[in-house]
Amino acid sequence: DSGVTQTPKHLITATGQRVTLRCSPRSGDLSVYWYQQSLDQGLQFLIQYYNGEERAKGNILERFSAQQFPDLHSELNLSSLELGDSALYFCASSPEGGGIQETQYFGPGTRLLVL
Amino acid sequence: QQPVQSPQAVILREGEDAVINCSSSKALYSVHWYRQKHGEAPVFLMILLKGGEQKGHEKISASFNEKKQQSSLYLTASQLSYSGTYFCGTVNSGGGADGLTFGKGTHLIIQP
Repeated sequence: DSGVTQTPKHLITATGQRVTLRCSPRSGDLSVYWYQQSLDQGLQFLIQYYNGEERAKGNILERFSAQQFPDLHSELNLSSLELGDSALYFCASSPEGGGIQETQYFGPGTRLLVL
Repeated sequence: QQPVQSPQAVILREGEDAVINCSSSKALYSVHWYRQKHGEAPVFLMILLKGGEQKGHEKISASFNEKKQQSSLYLTASQLSYSGTYFCGTVNSGGGADGLTFGKGTHLIIQP
């Protein structure tokens, strides 16, 4: 158990809908990262927040957005969902702002199925 | 730029050794190794930093050759629990904040 929690564990929804995934980082960690894992794309970095501010952006679609709240939990919002958005979404956290020697600890993930 | 992992898959008998390679076309600042069991979260194994230092614990170790821009993960006397998919995640920027860029993974199957 990494100490990172994610809810919900599973999510089934229809195309065109909007969903929100939630992540609580390990106690004391200031950075939260979001990753998407699918069979064809592999494990891809989406976005990082550090102490409430966006810190780094990866391959995140415009239909997706995220935020980090004062209590440091984070939410990933996915809108206008398409079949191809079906994937495992992981949240990870690290103690500080990230970088070359910071370990990222992954949560259990949210499995999203878009029908 | 996604790092390239090799081999894509390997099947071993318990007790045999394995080497998994990770190479990048861009300068590497660090390499992070993870193991993932099917449907579970990636679990952190170790970080390798510039300097070629070899790190490890128990029977899993790794090296980082910054000149060749590659890292190798060594699994010695493999156990059934080592089965899973191994990912290397690279950091190509020395500036600080960045997500990890992961390779496609190496599937490791350990048979009794």
